[in-house]
Amino acid sequence: DTVLTQSPALAVSPGERVTISCRASESVSTGMHWYQQKPGQQPKLLIYGASNLESGVPARFSGSGSGTDFTLTIDPVEADDTATYFCQQSWNDPYTFGAGTKLELK
Amino acid sequence: QVTLKESGPGILQPSQTLSLTCTFSGFSLSTYGMGVGWIRQPSGKGLEWLANIWWDDDKYYNPSLKNRLTISKDTSNNQAFLKITNVDTADTATYYCARIGYNSGSYWFAYWGQGTLVTVSS
Repeated sequence: DTVLTQSPALAVSPGERVTISCRASESVSTGMHWYQQKPGQQPKLLIYGASNLESGVPARFSGSGSGTDFTLTIDPVEADDTATYFCQQSWNDPYTFGAGTKLELK
Repeated sequence: QVTLKESGPGILQPSQTLSLTCTFSGFSLSTYGMGVGWIRQPSGKGLEWLANIWWDDDKYYNPSLKNRLTISKDTSNNQAFLKITNVDTADTATYYCARIGYNSGSYWFAYWGQGTLVTVSS
């Protein structure tokens, strides 16, 4: 299975720029997607196909990368962005998710 | 407006069969290209993809659980189903269904239900 590695946690101040990384154990081309999950809620799609912003998601969110290294950027970060962010790949079977990066605001 | 809602037994005993239902609106699983997936999440942990079913009744399973999973659909009632046989405590999780989005061979979970908590306990 393709293993997706994410940093466990980040802490940033409102207004700053934050990058959340996801590294795949093998190439996933651009088959990488990002989700936001707030406590007690279901995940919400933010970015699909590595860099495509889902409709209705603020333009503060952006995604980049291909192959094995991917980044989700939030610029500027707002207080409401406190959440856990998961990457997911669909290029290789089976689909797999990263363990999530918990974003906290200072 | 796309909505999905999962339902399940809440609690069941080890070795039993878990039956989950996903009732959705805003799309039809008989429409070309539509698909629904099931994903689960143990409390405080990460996400695990379980299975997908497509408009043409194609089915895909996570190989780690394939022998225990059965996915199906009822297009006339806008429902998808997942059965997991021989459950044990490791199957305790919140189970989500989601509508699949896709493009150029890439697939993602575009819309999610609120999830249903399933606890396996004797």
